[in-house]
This record gives sequence, structure tokens and C-alpha cells, in this order.
Amino acid sequence: GEDVEQSLFLSVREGDSSVINCTYTDSSSTYLYWYKQEPGAGLQLLTYIFSNMDMKQDQRLTVLLNKKDKHLSLRIADTQTGDSAIYFCAEKGTGGYQKVTFGTGTKLQVIP
Amino acid sequence: DTGVSQDPRHKITKRGQNVTFRCDPISEHNRLYWYRQTLGQGPEFLTYFQNEAQLEKSRLLSDRFSAERPKGSFSTLEIQRTEQGDSAMYLCASRGGGTYNEQFFGPGTRLTVL
Repeated sequence: GEDVEQSLFLSVREGDSSVINCTYTDSSSTYLYWYKQEPGAGLQLLTYIFSNMDMKQDQRLTVLLNKKDKHLSLRIADTQTGDSAIYFCAEKGTGGYQKVTFGTGTKLQVIP
Repeated sequence: DTGVSQDPRHKITKRGQNVTFRCDPISEHNRLYWYRQTLGQGPEFLTYFQNEAQLEKSRLLSDRFSAERPKGSFSTLEIQRTEQGDSAMYLCASRGGGTYNEQFFGPGTRLTVL
């Protein structure tokens, strides 16, 4: 079945760049997503990338996709304390009606 | 309507009791999903509705779990004879016809089974 892996924790200093990595197994993935979850809140979609794209930039966020290695990364430029949260990588394949498989999440801690 | 809402936000129950959660999706969204999230894990897919039809169910959805969406609007998730292993956050999400399949999540219902 589909599997999505992430490192559990990342700590960065305010103003530095953060890079959160993700690997997935489903070679038929069509969309890949990054979600943000803050304490007590639901998941918020940050950005997505279609599987035929290599890169997508959206303000401070850059998503890189290496489809050959099934590797996805999220770079946050000029990381702020408000970026502290858990970040989930997710993928939607072609199997099933609309199933999205989430990774375990990476907790980002931003040190002032 | 500003987003997906879920009720209750927290539920504490004793083992063996039945519980029911409600999800109200974004009004124009015809697709609705239920997920379960345990501590330190990502959300795991439980079931999917398109309008009132339940089109997909995960193997995680044992026969103690039942979900309905009778009029294609709000949905309920019932757990019968709760077990301590059912303790988790239950998330609901809805989606419209967007091309990139964005799911909008509610705040979740945290269930604690004693």
C-alpha cells in the first residue's frame, strides 16, 4: 500500500530557512500536498504540486519534487515563530476514489 | 459558512458506550471524508462520501464504526461499544470540485475512552 515517511522533528533559528523532507512509495501519485497543523486547529493546506511538476514557489514556500526518487521537500524561507507547527506531507494516488495518504508529520520548532 | 465544523470538540466516554460525532461540511462541497489521527501520527483515512453515497471505506473502519450522510449535507460517525484503542482525534474534511483536490479540514473531535 501507499506509505509516506517524514522525519519527526526539525529545529531552526528565526530568520533561517527550514527544509522539511518527505518520501513516498506510490509511483502513481497525482498530487502531493503540504499541510500545516497548529495546536488545537485543523489541518490547513499550505501548498500542493502536481506530479508532472519539479518545483513550485509560493511566496516564502518552495516545493521541490523528485519523482524518480519519490522525494518531496518543503522549504520555508525566513522562518518565523508563527511557522512553528506540525507539517504533514500527503499524496493522492490513482487508487481508490479520493484517498489521500498522510505522513507522520514533522514538528517544526522555531527558536527566537 | 466559514469552514468545516465538528461537534462535539471533545468527548470523554467509558469503555463499551456508544458515541456519535457530527460534521458539517462547507455548504457547497459534495465530497466528505472522515479521518482518524492518533498522537504522533498523520491522519488515517476512514471513509469517503460523494453526496449521500458512501463510496469508500478503509479496512480501519471495523463493524463497530458506521458513518452516514443522509441528505448529502452533514455527516455522522458512530462508534459502538467503544474501546480504549478508539481514543483519537476524529477529523472531517470536505471538498468541492477544485482541480487540485484540496480537502478542507474541520477542527476535529477528540475522543477519550476510559
